[in-house]
Amino acid sequence: EEQLVQSGAEVKKPGESLKISCQRSRDVFLNYWLGWVRHTPDKGLEWMGIIFTGDSHTIYSPSFEGQVAMSVDRSTNTAYLHLASLKASDTAMYYCARQISRYGDYITWGQGTLVTVSS
Amino acid sequence: QSALTQPASVSGSLGQSITISCTGTTNDVGGFDYVSWYQHRPGTAPDLLLYGVTTRPSGVSNRFSGSKSGNTASLTISGLRAEDEATYYCSSYARSTHQVFGGGTKLTVL
Repeated sequence: EEQLVQSGAEVKKPGESLKISCQRSRDVFLNYWLGWVRHTPDKGLEWMGIIFTGDSHTIYSPSFEGQVAMSVDRSTNTAYLHLASLKASDTAMYYCARQISRYGDYITWGQGTLVTVSS
Repeated sequence: QSALTQPASVSGSLGQSITISCTGTTNDVGGFDYVSWYQHRPGTAPDLLLYGVTTRPSGVSNRFSGSKSGNTASLTISGLRAEDEATYYCSSYARSTHQVFGGGTKLTVL
């Protein structure tokens, strides 16, 4: 069974940066679209963007462009979400998820990474 | 403000059917058959219930069904069970932003 395993919870101060990892359990690194989704109690699920693991092509949500960066390390089957200049409002659960197609059908999800930003 | 509009909450009794709506525009829901629905319980990752408007992934109960008319997609849950209590999100491919979620609908099973 396919699994996406994310890195553990983080506590950061405002202005700091963070990199969350998402490792796929399968041995074979197939090409697929992987997305990142943020969840907060106030706003619910928010789409942050997607990356194609084959060539690292990325599509970012206008709401997050410039604030985040997505990358892939094919040698370790791992995707990364880079968050820069963190604010208290970035406190959230962050999920990675694999899509069936490139159109938002997230079939497999990571367990989530809780990020807390507090001074 | 979410790009797709969902009711904040719905409720239904055990065994009944409920429908959750998801309204967008011709630039998203109305323009493409790429609507997905997710079930999100507290403390867990979301689960994909439907994609491509009507397709259920393997393992998803046929009590969950989807449809679309114009700019509005709908999720119907039949034979409500206590374990259906969760927050449900729609999402759609969007011409300008690539993908958008709805604001979520909290389902209470009475």
